[in-house]
Amino acid sequence: SYELSQPPSVSVSPGQTASITCSGDKLGDKYACWYQQKPGQSPVLVIYQDAKRPSGIPERFSGSNSGNTATLTISGTQAMDEADYYCQAWDSSTHVVFGGGTKLTVL
Amino acid sequence: QVQLQESGPGLVKPSETLSLACSVSGGSISGYYWSWIRQPPEKGLEWIGYIYYSGSTNYNPSLKSRVTISVDTSKNQFSLNLNSVTAADTAVYYCARDQGFGELWGFGYWGQGTLVTVSS
Repeated sequence: SYELSQPPSVSVSPGQTASITCSGDKLGDKYACWYQQKPGQSPVLVIYQDAKRPSGIPERFSGSNSGNTATLTISGTQAMDEADYYCQAWDSSTHVVFGGGTKLTVL
Repeated sequence: QVQLQESGPGLVKPSETLSLACSVSGGSISGYYWSWIRQPPEKGLEWIGYIYYSGSTNYNPSLKSRVTISVDTSKNQFSLNLNSVTAADTAVYYCARDQGFGELWGFGYWGQGTLVTVSS
């Protein structure tokens, strides 16, 4: 079965750039998307089709996908960005696959 | 604005069937993929399966033998049945809609989630 791997945690200082990676076999050949989930809330789609932002998502969120790695980048990270982030893609049978999640700490 | 709302029992006994419904308002069921996703306490997201408005389905292979997802376009809702449940099925269950019209782009709309506990 297809698997996506994320680092369990990432730390960043306010105002700096945070990068969260998602690794999977030939992930760059697939579309990846990213979700932000704050405690007690439903996930929110922040990036789809590798690099597109849904309406209402701040420009500081960006994405890329190449080779075996997709990356979510948050520029000028704010305290409000502290959350769990999940990557997601589809395998060859269009089954949905989630990464294990990354806890972003802003300190 | 599309809104999704899960409904169903919050407590299910082991070996019984978990049944949830997702009501869709502010938009039509037609043209989109609709999914069920769950999240065990303090754990990550797990996709259960999706249904296209036409009725075609795709399930997580690890749950396929126990899952049925159906759609009722006349009621603008879709449903989840998960049979033979155990404590491992305790989770917050979310319904969600894909961002893309007729395509798989990512889940742009989510319900608030409903906690289902499996316990006798």
